[in-house]
Amino acid sequence: NAGVTQTPKFQVLKTGQSMTLQCAQDMNHEYMSWYRQDPGMGLRLIHYSVGAGITDQGEVPNGYNVSRSTTEDFPLRLLSAAPSQTSVYFCASSTRRQARDEQFFGPGTRLTVL
Amino acid sequence: AQTVTQSQPEMSVQEAETVTLSCTYDTSESDYYLFWYKQPPSRQMILVIRQEAYKQQNATENRFSVNFQKAAKSFSLKISDSQLGDAAMYFCAYSGNTPLVFGKGTRLSVIA
Repeated sequence: NAGVTQTPKFQVLKTGQSMTLQCAQDMNHEYMSWYRQDPGMGLRLIHYSVGAGITDQGEVPNGYNVSRSTTEDFPLRLLSAAPSQTSVYFCASSTRRQARDEQFFGPGTRLTVL
Repeated sequence: AQTVTQSQPEMSVQEAETVTLSCTYDTSESDYYLFWYKQPPSRQMILVIRQEAYKQQNATENRFSVNFQKAAKSFSLKISDSQLGDAAMYFCAYSGNTPLVFGKGTRLSVIA
């Protein structure tokens, strides 16, 4: 199993550009989520999904869109990038809805918005 | 909303010694789980230990153990016989009826 994979590992954008961060898992996990990590702030939840076709907002959803058309994939879209979105982004998955099981994290994407 | 507080931004420990990282949380739920995650310089998030709130016995995993005080809403991590490879960011996290909530982390340095 590859576990949770994220692409790209690094990305530099200009303000106003759009892009999609890819996340895929091959463990048949129902629950997937996106976090951003900023210095001194820990990890903050952006969006999460409890299964295909179901998504919900987390603590910091503004400026981000998600969709979950398959169990395996959970892409994160930045519609119009802003410098405040410079961060490290982590995708995670787990077996059950309320993340009471261990969450498996991807390797992260470091995004810089100029 | 649930909150998780790690009051020690940085800690250091001598190799082979013991260190305790603090974590407190705020919740009105009675059924929940608590976690400690480790993030080494590689950036990969690694689960260290997990505690179910309904279990009174403290969880242990080799050199890692927790002191879970449910009434005080405290969940500290003890690392025994510290090794150079333990140097990392450590995050305390809470999961109840809402998705996982993280503290801001404690950076642990291990001195040879």
